[in-house]
Amino acid sequence: NAGVTQTPKFQVLKTGQSMTLQCAQDMNHNSMYWYRQDPGMGLRLIYYSASEGTTDKGEVPNGYNVSRLNKREFSLRLESAAPSQTSVYFCATSWDISNQPQHFGDGTRLSIL
Amino acid sequence: DQQVKQNSPSLSVQEGRISILNCDYTNSMFDYFLWYKKYPAEGPTFLISISSIKDKNEDGRFTVFLNKSAKHLSLHIVPSQPGDSAVYFCAASIKAAGNKLTFGGGTRVLVKP
Repeated sequence: NAGVTQTPKFQVLKTGQSMTLQCAQDMNHNSMYWYRQDPGMGLRLIYYSASEGTTDKGEVPNGYNVSRLNKREFSLRLESAAPSQTSVYFCATSWDISNQPQHFGDGTRLSIL
Repeated sequence: DQQVKQNSPSLSVQEGRISILNCDYTNSMFDYFLWYKKYPAEGPTFLISISSIKDKNEDGRFTVFLNKSAKHLSLHIVPSQPGDSAVYFCAASIKAAGNKLTFGGGTRVLVKP
């Protein structure tokens, strides 16, 4: 009964280091999303995957890459971390791209020094 | 340029009274609206939604009102309970554009016993 699982929960990086955030879902949903949450700004969409094998940019994609490894897993990669990427990252899923609501994981808190 | 705004960052209400949360949007193309509730260290959880063809949707203690001419929606919680203390996000989407969510900045609600 896990739903959407994100790993790790916390991470501290130095500027320039790389990192991959993992997201796995057991809801058999087709669409998956990555958001970042910054104070006072709500959640902003970074990338999404409408279905296995497809990915598209969201509102704030710069500095990130994604991989939809299979139906269950959608990873977010920071190739060269910058302090501006300090944030809480949330993965979400939905049955498909035309359906709501989206279901969220508990987030990864990432600090970049 | 935030397309979805929650102008009240916080709200304090007595247990048993009504909580009213407000949300304004600028994009007239939005046709589906959602409210999410978020506890600390957890992901947002879906609360209630409304389509633009309706002006009211009710689910137990939660009612969402939509005023399309004013580009305004509100969430009413009656009666408020201490467990309702959380951050509430409104979100909007355009079904024809892939249903990607645009979030407001959130309103922190504190329900006092």
